Amino acid sequence: QSALTQPASVSGSPGQSITISCTGTASDVGTYNFVSWYQHHPGKAPKLMIYEANERPSGVSNRLSGSKSGNTASLTISGLQAEDEADYYCCSYARGGNLVFGGGTKLTVL
Amino acid sequence: QLQLQESGPGLVKPSETLSLTCTVSGGSVSSGAYYWGWVRQSPGEGLEWIGTIYYSGSTYYNPSLKSRVTISVDTSKNRFSLRFDSVTAADTAVYLCARHRGGTIYYFDYWGQGTLVTVSS
Repeated sequence: QSALTQPASVSGSPGQSITISCTGTASDVGTYNFVSWYQHHPGKAPKLMIYEANERPSGVSNRLSGSKSGNTASLTISGLQAEDEADYYCCSYARGGNLVFGGGTKLTVL
Repeated sequence: QLQLQESGPGLVKPSETLSLTCTVSGGSVSSGAYYWGWVRQSPGEGLEWIGTIYYSGSTYYNPSLKSRVTISVDTSKNRFSLRFDSVTAADTAVYLCARHRGGTIYYFDYWGQGTLVTVSS
């Protein structure tokens, strides 16, 4: 069982917005802003999409945004496109020098 | 463009040692600006951080795996390696190597594609 809890799947139609939640505890998401999100197409290298809870690396679409409230971080993708269909993982630094991931969310663009 | 490539046996017997190497191209593991790490994904499961190393040899491990894991770096060959002792079927996974972003260990900005390791007799 993963340390961070994500919904197994979300879906949306092209042009719509979706939000993926990532729930942790006071030992990780609740205390640290070191939350990141990764897009993963199976068989390919994962891609960093959000770091420090709400920062986008250069080259990542501004349709993606991150936020955090309490023990829950969220990834929102607006204006869904077919290319957004992938698995998404959240990750947080945790007390004790650990990095913990979520179980992953499969995004389907209908 | 930085590239990372995992290599090693795809099949390991239970109780034996899993050894993988990550070869870095387009960049240097000796760069003091970055840390380098290993992550795995078991079938049907999420990602799990295994551990991280700095070019100096300083290491950071997942507390739940620490007793069985050793990560080392070979700056002369521009690569770093993972050693996982006493494996069981539960260690069957895709193992990925990655570079941490920007001098911290919190995020990964470049990844390999991963290599599947099956633990089976």
